Amino acid sequence: KQEVTQIPAALSVPEGENLVLNCSFTDSAIYNLQWFRQDPGKGLTSLLLIQSSQREQTSGRLNASLDKSSGRSTLYIAASQPGDSATYLCAVNTGNQFYFGTGTSLTVIP
Amino acid sequence: DTGVSQNPRHKITKRGQNVTFRCDPISEHNRLYWYRQTLGQGPEFLTYFQNEAQLEKSRLLSDRFSAERPKGSFSTLEIQRTEQGDSAMYLCASSFWGRDTEAFFGQGTRLTVV
Repeated sequence: KQEVTQIPAALSVPEGENLVLNCSFTDSAIYNLQWFRQDPGKGLTSLLLIQSSQREQTSGRLNASLDKSSGRSTLYIAASQPGDSATYLCAVNTGNQFYFGTGTSLTVIP
Repeated sequence: DTGVSQNPRHKITKRGQNVTFRCDPISEHNRLYWYRQTLGQGPEFLTYFQNEAQLEKSRLLSDRFSAERPKGSFSTLEIQRTEQGDSAMYLCASSFWGRDTEAFFGQGTRLTVV
């Protein structure tokens, strides 16, 4: 069974800092990996999708990398802003379902 | 198309009552997923449909839970004889299997069983 772990569980940074969120998974047989943002009490917003054949994907200040063989992905956020405060979830798609980590709760302090 | 739509957004029910939630996916998407999320946890898989066929169900989906997707369009998730442990956020997602398979989630239905 696929297991997804996210580290750290919580992170607090001052505005303007660059930061890295980590995601690891146990089975490298994946179709893709997706990063989501979740605000309190809300649904999930898709941030980036990386196909299993890709190494990296970028959108604005966000950059996600994937090393399938080692079972790792990172989400890099550049020049963090208070509006980035949310929980960030990674999800691994095995073809039949998405396996989620428990998320990293990010607080960006103005 | 405005994305995945879920109704109702909130539901409070008494223990033992039945509840039904609805999900309207993005129109061209052939896959529809149901997930459950409790506070501080990541979403947990319940079931998924490809078109109208229910292809997989989690063991979390007890016999009190049933899901349908008639005609491969909207889907309903029914919980019979609700229990306090059913209190959670129920999330629906859709994707197009065979293309990039990016999943899009709705805003969820928050269920509180009292």
